[in-house]
Amino acid sequence: DTGVSQDPRHKITKRGQNVTFRCDPISEHNRLYWYRQTLGQGPEFLTYFQNEAQLEKSRLLSDRFSAERPKGSFSTLEIQRTEQGDSAMYLCASSLAATGRNNEQFFGPGTRLTVL
Amino acid sequence: GNSVTQMEGPVTLSEEAFLTINCTYTATGYPSLFWYVQYPGEGLQLLLKATKADDKGSNKGFEATYRKETTSFHLEKGSVQVSDSAVYFCALSDGGLTGGGNKLTFGTGTQLKVEL
Repeated sequence: DTGVSQDPRHKITKRGQNVTFRCDPISEHNRLYWYRQTLGQGPEFLTYFQNEAQLEKSRLLSDRFSAERPKGSFSTLEIQRTEQGDSAMYLCASSLAATGRNNEQFFGPGTRLTVL
Repeated sequence: GNSVTQMEGPVTLSEEAFLTINCTYTATGYPSLFWYVQYPGEGLQLLLKATKADDKGSNKGFEATYRKETTSFHLEKGSVQVSDSAVYFCALSDGGLTGGGNKLTFGTGTQLKVEL
């Protein structure tokens, strides 16, 4: 299967701990997006990369959040000093941004974070 | 800013009933419009899309027409099946006009339950 994968699928942590999630996009895709989805809501944009460059961060992304895509392939999202309000599903999506393409985004299964 | 409004759920239908899920949007420029579906325990999947006014997206018996005059993209299916039970999200992308690459702005989702 060459779809978007995310690891772990589930993470339970205690308040104040740091967590890191990984996303592996579709191999030829140059854009990678992170979204957050809380219960009963649609996904909300957090940040995106084009190759290894992080081009935009949403105001939702506080200073406790950091994302990297060091070699333009996989990406990590780290949350420091987790809070109960960080409990959500974290979704990763990738796309191929190229002239004339429709930039369709393909989503991974998500990482469900529970902060106790 | 961009926003998507869709009808609240859950929507409960009998098998073979006609389905309509309403979606309206506010956006900068001329966005692309999407319907994504999330089956229980699975990630978001693109169901259909339309990239310009009067386009009709269709897939698996579902259809939606991009109506610029009413800023709407309602999802329809003539005869639903139990297997269509899922959460449906309407979304838009403004092609980066408001930043975020081609980030998606989602509605809150509508849960569909189809019963025998």
